[in-house]
Amino acid sequence: ELKVEQNPLFLSMQEGKNYTIYCNYSTTSDRLYWYRQDPGKSLESLFVLLSNGAVKQEGRLMASLDTKARLSTLHITAAVHDLSATYFCAVLMDSNYQLIWGAGTKLIIKP
Amino acid sequence: NAGVTQTPKFQVLKTGQSMTLQCAQDMNHNSMYWYRQDPGMGLRLIYYSASEGTTDKGEVPNGYNVSRLNKREFSLRLESAAPSQTSVYFCASDDEIRSSYNSPLHFGNGTRLTVT
Repeated sequence: ELKVEQNPLFLSMQEGKNYTIYCNYSTTSDRLYWYRQDPGKSLESLFVLLSNGAVKQEGRLMASLDTKARLSTLHITAAVHDLSATYFCAVLMDSNYQLIWGAGTKLIIKP
Repeated sequence: NAGVTQTPKFQVLKTGQSMTLQCAQDMNHNSMYWYRQDPGMGLRLIYYSASEGTTDKGEVPNGYNVSRLNKREFSLRLESAAPSQTSVYFCASDDEIRSSYNSPLHFGNGTRLTVT
């Protein structure tokens, strides 16, 4: 059974700081997705990582995938208040093509 | 372009009542999904439909039924609601061919359901 663990689950940080959210998963997969959710809102796709070594960047966010380590990271550079949200990673199961989701990381960025 | 539309946005039911959550997408996507989201947990797949005319169970199907009415619409029915079904329900769609999965899911805005 594929398990997906995110850490930390909660992060409060100051504007201007850098930080990394980690997503570990328990079995082989080479498809990983990052989503953002604002309070009371829907989920918005951030990144789709399709292979080992994939790195994608959008603004102050950068995501990477290491399939050998079964680890993805979401790095935040010089955080700004607008990035406050809950971030989810989701991993595609090779066996049945279902997504298994992490519990989410609630990020609060203080001005 | 509306994307994925869910109705209703909010609903309160009493234990034992039934209801149907509606979902429609206008992106001509083949696959549609129903997820539930509970506090402190990631999304869990209830049912999905890989194409018109097919439906399959996900991780937590008990207590639910679905209908893929046509390519656009995928409904979720609770026949006899229970407090454990209090959750936020999201419908999603994508156009994936099973061998690729290169694009993300598109989500609706969610239905917040409370069962008392």
